[in-house]
Amino acid sequence: SQQGEEDPQALSIQEGENATMNCSYKTSINNLQWYRQNSGRGLVHLILIRSNEREKHSGRLRVTLDTSKKSSSLLITASRAADTASYFCATDPNAGNMLTFGGGTRLMVKP
Amino acid sequence: NAGVTQTPKFQVLKTGQSMTLQCAQDMNHNSMYWYRQDPGMGLRLIYYSASEGTTDKGEVPNGYNVSRLNKREFSLRLESAAPSQTSVYFCASSPRDRWSPLHFGNGTRLTVT
Repeated sequence: SQQGEEDPQALSIQEGENATMNCSYKTSINNLQWYRQNSGRGLVHLILIRSNEREKHSGRLRVTLDTSKKSSSLLITASRAADTASYFCATDPNAGNMLTFGGGTRLMVKP
Repeated sequence: NAGVTQTPKFQVLKTGQSMTLQCAQDMNHNSMYWYRQDPGMGLRLIYYSASEGTTDKGEVPNGYNVSRLNKREFSLRLESAAPSQTSVYFCASSPRDRWSPLHFGNGTRLTVT
């Protein structure tokens, strides 16, 4: 079963707008990671946030983590057409060795 | 630097046929993984190898076998393919530090008819 669940499943925005994706999970975690997947390609790691961190930035990406609500969000600011991709959260649980992925959010950025 | 290389890129099998998916990494990573990706299901872990010489079952191991041939190579075998195994298969590797991200190959798209 999936540990993480992304919301929304699909998102369509105009270039220049911000995109926000959410991830909820079920059990305690060591860290949470976000990945991007372009069509027909493998996943690429974007950012990792540890369980004792609340916010992290990387370029136009901002990730927040709320362990009390077991949720995370990924914000992409000033989106570009090249940001069109699927975005996945993955959780590293306290118990076990398996990094578990959610079903992903499909983001389309229209030029 | 090639990273994680998977072969073949595409494969069509008939029900009952067997095949081996190959994966190699050149990053000297300790851990390697096989995932399958189905629409709306995200990625599900089939098997993983935390280090050379060890393999463990993931979430969906039934119908698959794996071999960690050496530190670089981790193969996935389907002994008797079934239509339910139609999927995109991804190999990944990591240094196996808990804080290290996974590095993925570009996948093998398998269709079983």
